[in-house]
Amino acid sequence: GAVVSQHPSWVICKSGTSVKIECRSLDFQATTMFWYRQFPKQSLMLMATSNEGSKATYEQGVEKDKFLINHASLTLSTLTVTSAHPEDSSFYICSASLSDRGTVGYTFGSGTRLTVV
Amino acid sequence: QKEVEQDPGPLSVPEGAIVSLNCTYSNSAFQYFMWYRQYSRKGPELLMYTYSSGNKEDGRFTAQVDKSSKYISLFIRDSQPSDSATYLCAMSAGMGGKLIFGQGTELSVKP
Repeated sequence: GAVVSQHPSWVICKSGTSVKIECRSLDFQATTMFWYRQFPKQSLMLMATSNEGSKATYEQGVEKDKFLINHASLTLSTLTVTSAHPEDSSFYICSASLSDRGTVGYTFGSGTRLTVV
Repeated sequence: QKEVEQDPGPLSVPEGAIVSLNCTYSNSAFQYFMWYRQYSRKGPELLMYTYSSGNKEDGRFTAQVDKSSKYISLFIRDSQPSDSATYLCAMSAGMGGKLIFGQGTELSVKP
């Protein structure tokens, strides 16, 4: 149980276009989801925290107008990278807190590899 | 100074060895401590979690937390080639709160 499905698993887009990444909690409701990015050989850096029905909270240095997060339902959160540039190429991972299930821990999506050309 | 420090390795050990992975942290508010395993370009999977100080054992894995020293460890006994992965420590101040990761240690277990 507690599966988060993330799509797409990889995407290549042209510079200047926008890309949407979806994360769905399949068998539980996720009030809170987190979005991370990970560069090669580096750790997961938290980008933002999204709460269902409210605006996301962005970490310092993350451009909220560039990385649009929507958490319109308890089972779906989306990250849209707007006007993507090659420096946005990275591995993006979503995570859902399991606290709604009364469980400590977090479950992660399988990640999206974004390449901007 | 990063909130969570972890030696990135890489660490290479022979099969059957005991592996010790460690993290230090600076934020005394952290209460929940976790270890994740991540295979190349996949999402992390939870190995173990510990609340506050103490030890926890699960099969070949043992997690230790020493809050007085702000130091956590993961021990892997009888390491196997299938344990080869990147191991990330992570911690949060509250249940369900934002999770802060260490840099990750790349482990290779040689047959």
